[in-house]
Amino acid sequence: KNEVEQSPQNLTAQEGEFITINCSYSVGISALHWLQQHPGGGIVSLFMLSSGKKKHGRLIATINIQEKHSSLHITASHPRDSAVYICAVGRYGNKLVFGAGTILRVKS
Amino acid sequence: EAGVTQFPSHSVIEKGQTVTLRCDPISGHDNLYWYRRVMGKEIKFLLHFVKESKQDESGMPNNRFLAERTGGTYSTLKVQPAELEDSGVYFCASRRGLAYEQYFGPGTRLTVT
Repeated sequence: KNEVEQSPQNLTAQEGEFITINCSYSVGISALHWLQQHPGGGIVSLFMLSSGKKKHGRLIATINIQEKHSSLHITASHPRDSAVYICAVGRYGNKLVFGAGTILRVKS
Repeated sequence: EAGVTQFPSHSVIEKGQTVTLRCDPISGHDNLYWYRRVMGKEIKFLLHFVKESKQDESGMPNNRFLAERTGGTYSTLKVQPAELEDSGVYFCASRRGLAYEQYFGPGTRLTVT
């Protein structure tokens, strides 16, 4: 079992829908990262969390340290949000352990 | 401030050949990480440099992989000899001091035929 589990693996949404991607982890962490990768593109860091909630534009990330769970929400989704969203947790030395990623497709 | 850069963006080599990947971290970032994603799998940690020293190389798959960071600036990852299972995307990331945030390079797609 991977130390970081994401769900769902694949997600198709209609433009405008509210989207939630979940991440659970089983190890102690220094911080949790949400990353985005567009097809053929590099990895972009969206959020880094160690507690609470962060918001950037239409993206919201929350973390519950006690439950070892984080969620990434996208409000008013748009086709340009189509990408792979990856949850990663920082371990000793801040090396990252990655989830398998969620492939999101937003249809217009 | 320039971001993390990687070269080449794509490399196609034959099994048994040697390939060297390069990563230039953000200036002043003493922490440098190598990760890779092989087909169908999640991204995995390979190793971590602090300046020129290898802090953690627990993720290096075998001795065909050699990473260096002479002078504590750019890093190279050499695969010799390459095998088919080495195909994937190799990412580099850098981090400053005690900060948690890592900045990723665009990756090098390695195809071994």
